[in-house]
Amino acid sequence: EPEVTQTPSHQVTQMGQEVILRCVPISNHLYFYWYRQILGQKVEFLVSFYNNEISEKSEIFDDQFSVERPDGSNFTLKIRSTKLEDSAMYFCASRGQFNQPQHFGDGTRLSIL
Amino acid sequence: LAKTTQPISMDSYEGQEVNITCSHNNIATNDYITWYQQFPSQGPRFIIQGYKTKVTNEVASLFIPADRKSSTLSLPRVSLSDTAVYYCLVGDGDSWGKLQFGAGTQVVVTP
Repeated sequence: EPEVTQTPSHQVTQMGQEVILRCVPISNHLYFYWYRQILGQKVEFLVSFYNNEISEKSEIFDDQFSVERPDGSNFTLKIRSTKLEDSAMYFCASRGQFNQPQHFGDGTRLSIL
Repeated sequence: LAKTTQPISMDSYEGQEVNITCSHNNIATNDYITWYQQFPSQGPRFIIQGYKTKVTNEVASLFIPADRKSSTLSLPRVSLSDTAVYYCLVGDGDSWGKLQFGAGTQVVVTP
């Protein structure tokens, strides 16, 4: 069964550094998403991406965040200058068409020191 | 997006059937009902999705009454490995697909 893969599984970064989280969505999917989950809290929507542009973003997704689909397979989330409060699990998800469910990767645990 | 309400936790024994009911009184005509399962330190895993009546797959069944204001996820003969958080989500199939997770239902299965 095809799956969403994310790398790295764990990223440790100094505060103020840039970090790039990588995702390979399911092939032929058209909609891509990033979510995050702070330890012990709910899964929170960050951004959706379709047709090579952001379709929707949350208040969390400020100027420090960006997403990119540099080629036909990867989907990345960049945080330019990390803060302590960015420490969380970051999940990538993708879906095919409207009304189809999203499929999630197993996440990248981001730890900011 | 319609808000959902589900129990915070449920306990069960191995081999029993677990039914989790979710209320979504403000569900819209275009909304689908989707359930996810999440284990610690893993991403949410899609279980089942439905629009009305009953949907069944190899792991669960989803019962949706005619008014669609609630839905029930049924997990038959649970095992210890079914201990997880279960999320009920209701979304507009015509939107960009943003999912709004609640706290979910923590299901604990014991021997």
